[in-house]
Amino acid sequence: AQRVTQPEKLLSVFKGAPVELKCNYSYSGSPELFWYVQYSRQRLQLLLRHISRESIKGFTADLNKGETSFHLKKPFAQEEDSAMYYCALRSISNFGNEKLTFGTGTRLTIIP
Amino acid sequence: NAGVTQTPKFQVLKTGQSMTLQCAQDMNHEYMSWYRQDPGMGLRLIHYSVGAGITDQGEVPNGYNVSRSTTEDFPLRLLSAAPSQTSVYFCASSNLRGYTGELFFGEGSRLTVL
Repeated sequence: AQRVTQPEKLLSVFKGAPVELKCNYSYSGSPELFWYVQYSRQRLQLLLRHISRESIKGFTADLNKGETSFHLKKPFAQEEDSAMYYCALRSISNFGNEKLTFGTGTRLTIIP
Repeated sequence: NAGVTQTPKFQVLKTGQSMTLQCAQDMNHEYMSWYRQDPGMGLRLIHYSVGAGITDQGEVPNGYNVSRSTTEDFPLRLLSAAPSQTSVYFCASSNLRGYTGELFFGEGSRLTVL
């Protein structure tokens, strides 16, 4: 069965310091991973997906199949980065149906 | 274009009562799903659907029923509410054709069971 692990429930970082939110996964198929973000009083929304290899709001994430990780990184934290971050794994069920499995989330707080 | 709309936003129930959380989307998405969000547990999938007439169970389906009679609507029913069902519920949808993996979420429904 698929599983997504985010080991840090809370993470506090000073403004201007680097940020790394950890995500590890287990899945027998070919993984497709995502980061979602929930800012205060806003809807949960997609931040980035590994297949796009894009940088969004200064964040990047590289899929490391050897370490089964998909850590989210940003070189210089900004106050507006404070939010709840979820790592998610796309999988296909035994019946061929799509599922998105989320980790437990990391609440990132940027200290001014 | 409203996206994903959930009602009600807040609800208080007594143990044993039944209720339905409504979810509607106007993006013609095939895929719809319900998650519950609990502190320290993250988002857990309750039920999902890949099209009208097709539903499947997620990680935590017990105590919940769903149906998908139209593409637009995906209601979640609690037949006999229990305090363990106190949570924030999110409905989400996505387009399976040209799939990008992006889920579009509703604003959430906060349910308290006394």
